[in-house]
Amino acid sequence: ILNVEQSPQSLHVQEGDSTNFTCSFPSSNFYALHWYRWETAKSPEALFVMTLNGDEKKKGRISATLNTKEGYSYLYIKGSQPEDSATYLCAPSNNAGNMLTFGGGTRLMVKP
Amino acid sequence: DVKVTQSSRYLVKRTGEKVFLECVQDMDHENMFWYRQDPGLGLRLIYFSYDVKMKEKGDIPEGYSVSREKKERFSLILESASTNQTSMYLCASSSTLGTGVRGAFFGQGTRLTVV
Repeated sequence: ILNVEQSPQSLHVQEGDSTNFTCSFPSSNFYALHWYRWETAKSPEALFVMTLNGDEKKKGRISATLNTKEGYSYLYIKGSQPEDSATYLCAPSNNAGNMLTFGGGTRLMVKP
Repeated sequence: DVKVTQSSRYLVKRTGEKVFLECVQDMDHENMFWYRQDPGLGLRLIYFSYDVKMKEKGDIPEGYSVSREKKERFSLILESASTNQTSMYLCASSSTLGTGVRGAFFGQGTRLTVV
């Protein structure tokens, strides 16, 4: 069982604040790191998949970075909006790329 | 539009009942997964399948079995439901064929309550 840790477990921010959270994973046998966003009453939705050390991905106000040598990834949200409220999950995959091990998630709540 | 469909959103079953959770995907994906989600524990993998009739245990397979007779359908079976199996169950599918790494697609989840 891979040990995947996400911090913080939950986060309350004001609208307009920028925020970031962390995903830590074993750096050995790394293949890919996935980020998902899970809104209440909806299905988890893929945000990013990153494979190379130093990768940075961006989608609108959300971006992510990857450090495979030390085994961590950061997710950043610039200028948080209430619609960003969701649980953000990270998951490294196995070397066949087909099995994801999820962290416990960071639950973000953005107050208007 | 890609789709992973789970047969029920909400289910209430009695202790000891045999429970079937069904999942169908229309993307011709070879990989399918069953996860359960409990507060503070994230998504934990129960079983996955990488081909028809193939299955692999995940992190918490005890008390569950699975069936994959057709590529598009992956069933999770609770042989004798117990109250500690009350949870949100999520099905997902993915493909690792071809180039590039792609994410998994999830169903809407089934909230199972065992009383």
